[in-house]
Amino acid sequence: AQTVTQSQPEMSVQEAETVTLSCTYDTSESDYYLFWYKQPPSRQMILVIRQEAYKQQNATENRFSVNFQKAAKSFSLKISDSQLGDAAMYFCALGAGSYQLTFGKGTKLSVIP
Amino acid sequence: GAGVSQSPRYKVAKRGQDVALRCDPISGHVSLFWYQQALGQGPEFLTYFQNEAQLDKSGLPSDRFFAERPEGSVSTLKIQRTQQEDSAVYLCASSPASNQPQHFGDGTRLSIL
Repeated sequence: AQTVTQSQPEMSVQEAETVTLSCTYDTSESDYYLFWYKQPPSRQMILVIRQEAYKQQNATENRFSVNFQKAAKSFSLKISDSQLGDAAMYFCALGAGSYQLTFGKGTKLSVIP
Repeated sequence: GAGVSQSPRYKVAKRGQDVALRCDPISGHVSLFWYQQALGQGPEFLTYFQNEAQLDKSGLPSDRFFAERPEGSVSTLKIQRTQQEDSAVYLCASSPASNQPQHFGDGTRLSIL
């Protein structure tokens, strides 16, 4: 069984500052993928960034980057130069073995102008 | 359209009624997933299709839940004899293959009175 834990129910950041969202996971699979999804009030889950477990290099997408610590089973998301449009629920998700995603409970990010 | 389309966006039903939720995936996407998202929680896997074949229905909470994808494109999630605990957002996602990132629709918010 796979588990994903997000220990920060809510976070806030000042506009233009940097924030890090935490995620830990557990799986017995050796081949897996990790994702961060963003869910604004409109409800659509939007893929932010993806990391393959076999890659040592941390994934980066513009202002979004991850710190993937495989031994510690940690996968944090760093948002640089935060913008008002970044405010949303952020979900960490694990795809391992089979195809279904296992999601954490989410972190609500507020951006303060 | 370019994205995953779900309808209706909102559905209100009385306890005991049957409901049907529709998902129109991205054209050409082989894999289709249904998730249930309770208020304040992350999505939880319900079922998975590869083309018209339902390969996994282990997440369906009871035999009142039934999903189909008869022609390998549009999918319908049906809930019979609805109960209040069925109230949730139902998300549909599709992907080109099972290990590729999933693209989500806006979801259907189901409220059972």
